[in-house]
Amino acid sequence: DAKTTQPNSMESNEEEPVHLPCNHSTISGTDYIHWYRQLPSQGPEYVIHGLTSNVNNRMASLAIAEDRKSSTLILHRATLRDAAVYYCILGLGYSGAGSYQLTFGKGTKLSVIP
Amino acid sequence: GAGVSQTPSNKVTEKGKYVELRCDPISGHTALYWYRQSLGQGPEFLIYFQGTGAADDSGLPNDRFFAVRPEGSVSTLKIQRTERGDSAVYLCASSGGGDTDTQYFGPGTRLTVL
Repeated sequence: DAKTTQPNSMESNEEEPVHLPCNHSTISGTDYIHWYRQLPSQGPEYVIHGLTSNVNNRMASLAIAEDRKSSTLILHRATLRDAAVYYCILGLGYSGAGSYQLTFGKGTKLSVIP
Repeated sequence: GAGVSQTPSNKVTEKGKYVELRCDPISGHTALYWYRQSLGQGPEFLIYFQGTGAADDSGLPNDRFFAVRPEGSVSTLKIQRTERGDSAVYLCASSGGGDTDTQYFGPGTRLTVL
C-alpha cells in the first residue's frame, strides 16, 4: 500500500484557517486522496476526497499538488468542534480481493485554542 | 436519517470468554467493514462484506475472530476465547459500494478483556 506521512500534531487558534499537510510520494495514478477525521470518542467521519483537481465542500477544501505527491486539507475557519485526529488515506486500499478497506496511519491531532 | 449503530457501546468480559459485537449499517448499504482501534493508533481493517459474503477477511488476526452477515444487513463480530490483547474499540462502517464510496462509521464498541 502507498503510504502517507503527516505531522503528529498541530495547533490552531479558533476562527483562523488551518492547513493540514500530507505527503504521499509513492501515490499511484489511480489512487484517490481521502481525508477522514475522528472526534474524541467517536468513529471516523468522512471529510473530503479528490484525485487530481482541488476540491471544495461544506466542511473543507483539498489542495492537491500538481505532481500529486502531496496534498493539504484546508479548514477555512477552525472551530472548537474541529479538534480531532485527521487522517490522510490513499485510494481505498484495494487489496486485489475486491476489498475497499481504508488503511489508516496515526494521523494529525489538531488542537484548537479558544 | 439513521446512521450506523453498534451495540453494546461498552463490553467488559473476562479472559477466555466469548463475545459478540453487533453492527447495524445504514439501510441499503451493501458494503460493511469491521475495524479495530487500539489506544493511540488509527483503525485497523479486519473484514469486509459485500452483501452476505465476506469478500475479504485478510485483516482478521487469527481464527478466534469470526464475523457473519447472514441477511446482508446486520453483522455480528464474534470473538472466541478472548485475550487481554483483544481489548480495543471495534468500529463498524458501511458504504453503498463502489471503489470510491464514502464509508460511514458507527460509534464503536469498547471491548475490555480483564
